[in-house]
Amino acid sequence: QGHLVQSGAEVKKPGSSLKVSCKASGGTFGGHAVAWVRQAPGQGLEWMGGISPIFGTTIYAHKFQDRVTITADELTNAVYMELSSLRIGDTGVYYCAREATYLSGWFDPWGQGTLVTVTS
Amino acid sequence: DIQMTQSPSSLSASVGDRVTITCRASQTITNSLNWYQQKPGEAPKLVIYAASVVQTGVPSRFSGSGSGTDFTLTINNLQPEDFATYSCQQSSSTPFTFGPGTKVDIK
Repeated sequence: QGHLVQSGAEVKKPGSSLKVSCKASGGTFGGHAVAWVRQAPGQGLEWMGGISPIFGTTIYAHKFQDRVTITADELTNAVYMELSSLRIGDTGVYYCAREATYLSGWFDPWGQGTLVTVTS
Repeated sequence: DIQMTQSPSSLSASVGDRVTITCRASQTITNSLNWYQQKPGEAPKLVIYAASVVQTGVPSRFSGSGSGTDFTLTINNLQPEDFATYSCQQSSSTPFTFGPGTKVDIK
């Protein structure tokens, strides 16, 4: 299995937007889907949504529906997660993870995580 | 949304022990249940998927069982590298949801 490599830590102000990238170390995601999961400090894991890079199909958790956009870029072989209107409560670690098949629902491997701090 | 609960929230065990963690879904999810291991400062790692299938590369001392709403993760002959937090996750319907986790630490 290949590794997933995410972009680095970010510090953001409330109301701003965030864009995190996720790349497969082998160059492509091999037809697999990619999910995004976040973890607030000391809390459990929370699924945000996912994308099938080949088909461009996306699905979002309704909690984030109005603020999250997940995209795939064929040129850079990367998947991006953009979260807008950031709040203090969006602070946490954001993970991308490869999904066996689109909406199969189990995730492996995971990226190393991107720490996002939202602070005024 | 399907709510996932786990018990216990934490447990202390010794090397060589057998450990059992329980996960319950708020509605039936057939066998759409996955288990992850997470160590401090690290990303989660898939251990079991589809309730009982051990992910490639995971030691055979890990096993999963259950269907419907009640599931179990068992670790036989607990090893030092197994001390971690274990979370269940349902993949029956979106939004996919995770349990709060069970921390396994050294007695």
